[in-house]
Amino acid sequence: DAGVIQSPRHEVTEMGQEVTLRCKPISGHNSLFWYRQTMMRGLELLIYFNNNVPIDDSGMPEDRFSAKMPNASFSTLKIQPSEPRDSAVYFCASSLLAGGEQFFGPGTRLTVL
Amino acid sequence: DAKTTQPNSMESNEEEPVHLPCNHSTISGTDYIHWYRQLPSQGPEYVIHGLTSNVNNRMASLAIAEDRKSSTLILHRATLRDAAVYYCILRGRLGEFQGAQKLVFGQGTRLTINP
Repeated sequence: DAGVIQSPRHEVTEMGQEVTLRCKPISGHNSLFWYRQTMMRGLELLIYFNNNVPIDDSGMPEDRFSAKMPNASFSTLKIQPSEPRDSAVYFCASSLLAGGEQFFGPGTRLTVL
Repeated sequence: DAKTTQPNSMESNEEEPVHLPCNHSTISGTDYIHWYRQLPSQGPEYVIHGLTSNVNNRMASLAIAEDRKSSTLILHRATLRDAAVYYCILRGRLGEFQGAQKLVFGQGTRLTINP
């Protein structure tokens, strides 16, 4: 298996633009997680899904952030409008079972100018 | 979430054992102790986890104190590729409550390996 796939790997955009990050979990995994990592705040969980259903989005910073999982093999994290403080590395992870080992993707490095 | 305390950084030499400590004095009876590590420019990866008994796998060993208020991740023979940030995380039992599966990362321990 190729592991968790994220795209793009790098994204540079201007303030106010819409940004969409994509994630393909490992085939057969039932849980998907979105994290954000910054120097100041470390690694934070934004939202997670079980069987394509959002379970906990308490980590989503504000209404500018939204996440969807239309099917078991694809998820998106959207920021609209983007702001410089959204600059971070965004990781997607998946796990076979709800409480199982999480497998992380390589991350998307987002820079908002 | 129960909290863990780890040293900010540690340094060791290649091919020597490394003992990474973690304090979790407020651990509950059903919390599992998980360790993940993050190599430079990569996402975190699972290392090991345990509940009460010591655990071994191909990557490391986990020694858990009898009172479970502390644990130690042991790398038996460190290599340069083991240089990473190591996170000790408490995780509730699946089904205990809805958020049990969440991983709450602290600042971790940055491990440097000298050649």
